[in-house]
Amino acid sequence: DAKTTQPNSMESNEEEPVHLPCNHSTISGTDYIHWYRQLPSQGPEYVIHGLTSNVNNRMASLAIAEDRKSSTLILHRATLRDAAVYYCILAHGGSNYKLTFGKGTLLTVNP
Amino acid sequence: DTGVSQNPRHKITKRGQNVTFRCDPISEHNRLYWYRQTLGQGPEFLTYFQNEAQLEKSRLLSDRFSAERPKGSFSTLEIQRTEQGDSAMYLCASSFGGQFFGPGTRLTVL
Repeated sequence: DAKTTQPNSMESNEEEPVHLPCNHSTISGTDYIHWYRQLPSQGPEYVIHGLTSNVNNRMASLAIAEDRKSSTLILHRATLRDAAVYYCILAHGGSNYKLTFGKGTLLTVNP
Repeated sequence: DTGVSQNPRHKITKRGQNVTFRCDPISEHNRLYWYRQTLGQGPEFLTYFQNEAQLEKSRLLSDRFSAERPKGSFSTLEIQRTEQGDSAMYLCASSFGGQFFGPGTRLTVL
């Protein structure tokens, strides 16, 4: 499985934008970029995914570099409820995609 | 609640005992996954079902572990002769696209 590299931790202030980076230099053409987050004492939660084009949904935006070797998850206005571990995961396209989690980025949101 | 449910939420057992966990996926989701998560680590893939067929098993899944999904609905994960190293959070996810995770079952083996 292609690997991803994320910072161990990041801090943000409430109501400010947060940019969470992810490097994936060995990404293959069929790998989708997925982001999940895990709040304390909960199972992971799907955030967003994309292949080549930038993606937006109600939770976040995903900006994918033109060469697809890196991506950035953007939370437009961080809230205290966004404090979680954020995982950037590459998964093959197709009908079966087991998720290979790394350690993720622990996001702390300051009031 | 139409999310993924897991029971029990917590299980404490003595080494050597057998334990069984249950996962009820979101209805109509044909794919079901089991993961294991230890403290400070991300979840690790254990096994995957497409309907009732178990299509992939991780090398992490030793002979003491067995998973079933009869009739392609709920799934069970059984651990026989538990060891202290089995202590972890066991997560179930179902998907019809993105994966939806349950709250997990926290296993403590004394």
